[in-house]
Amino acid sequence: SAVISQKPSRDICQRGTSLTIQCQVDSQVTMMFWYRQQPGQSLTLIATANQGSEATYESGFVIDKFPISRPNLTFSTLTVSNMSPEDSSIYLCSVELSGEQETQYFGPGTRLLVL
Amino acid sequence: QKEVEQDPGPLSVPEGAIVSLNCTYSNSAFQYFMWYRQYSRKGPELLMYTYSSGNKEDGRFTAQVDKSSKYISLFIRDSQPSDSATYLCAMSAGTNAGKSTFGDGTTLTVKP
Repeated sequence: SAVISQKPSRDICQRGTSLTIQCQVDSQVTMMFWYRQQPGQSLTLIATANQGSEATYESGFVIDKFPISRPNLTFSTLTVSNMSPEDSSIYLCSVELSGEQETQYFGPGTRLLVL
Repeated sequence: QKEVEQDPGPLSVPEGAIVSLNCTYSNSAFQYFMWYRQYSRKGPELLMYTYSSGNKEDGRFTAQVDKSSKYISLFIRDSQPSDSATYLCAMSAGTNAGKSTFGDGTTLTVKP
């Protein structure tokens, strides 16, 4: 298994500002992902964070709005840029472990409220 | 139309009841089927994982997949108050669970 921590756990931000969310894993992982969980809705995959290269974004998500970094095998950041109230959501990182591609482990999430 | 539709709930049952949670899907390419449990203010945790059609049992939990009907179910026997949570179905076409498509979740409350 993997232990995943996220910072911050929650934040309240003003419209037009940006927030960077950190995801730290206690072991080296092959794959890291960022999801969004909007109130009353399902988890939606934002992007796959690739170590040492640009993230791979899903349809509807772009790098300018959600820049992602992954400098090593245990750490990634997601920035929510130029925020609007529609960005209010829970942001979760998840990881797959080598040899366990059928399983993903989720972090506790970051609750974001944009005013 | 969403690729994955999940019975919305919420569901409230007495302790000891059998619970049935269900999802339907439209994408024939889905081969891997998962059920996650999410407690309030926590990230989802994997409960069951099934490849292709069939049943899989783990303790009080049974996952069923019927690919011909594009329908999956999770059964919880002898439900306990600690089972109170939101249950999410998820599916993927490839081997990477991280690239799954999720249902909206069903919130279950088991009353003592």
